Amino acid sequence: QQQVKQSPQSLIVQKGGIPIINCAYENTAFDYFPWYQQFPGKGPALLIAIRPDVSEKKEGRFTISFNKSAKQFSLHIMDSQPGDSATYFCAASWDSNYQLIWGAGTKLIIKP
Amino acid sequence: EPEVTQTPSHQVTQMGQEVILRCVPISNHLYFYWYRQILGQKVEFLVSFYNNEISEKSEIFDDQFSVERPDGSNFTLKIRSTKLEDSAMYFCASSEGRGPSYEQYFGPGTRLTVT
Repeated sequence: QQQVKQSPQSLIVQKGGIPIINCAYENTAFDYFPWYQQFPGKGPALLIAIRPDVSEKKEGRFTISFNKSAKQFSLHIMDSQPGDSATYFCAASWDSNYQLIWGAGTKLIIKP
Repeated sequence: EPEVTQTPSHQVTQMGQEVILRCVPISNHLYFYWYRQILGQKVEFLVSFYNNEISEKSEIFDDQFSVERPDGSNFTLKIRSTKLEDSAMYFCASSEGRGPSYEQYFGPGTRLTVT
């Protein structure tokens, strides 16, 4: 119930393509769904987050799509660039709780 | 831009030894966290800390772990008697407030290797 399942484990996309990373959850109490980006040797950094009252959120080239009935959310990166190559983590939490429940991570490589 | 810092970047210790991992949170933040990431696995929450006491802890955070804010700037994680399975990357994070409305800012991590 506490898990967040993330796929794929790794992803290689040509520059300009649209990588899509998917996450699924079981706990309907989750009400906050962030995505984190992590570069080698660095800690995770918040990229974009969504609440379940909206189905999509865009920030620059990054878009979260949220399907409440399916309990799934995904990250899309438009016009991907080699600088987007990183590990991406989805996570979830609920407002009364401090802790983030993390997905397993996706290693994304954008080929020039 | 303010950032969370952690020291050391890499710590090697023998099984059974005590280790202290150090973090300096962002100065105006009030909530502090420790997470760990075993190599190749997901990030796992360990503990959150506010007002000089633990607010929440996970099942992983057993009696061998402790946290402390010994002065106005440092936030430490102590592992009393390390085990091989404690080998992981440990991340400290801090936030201004409680809950999802407040972003948690992560440090670069300390890689702990227990031999």
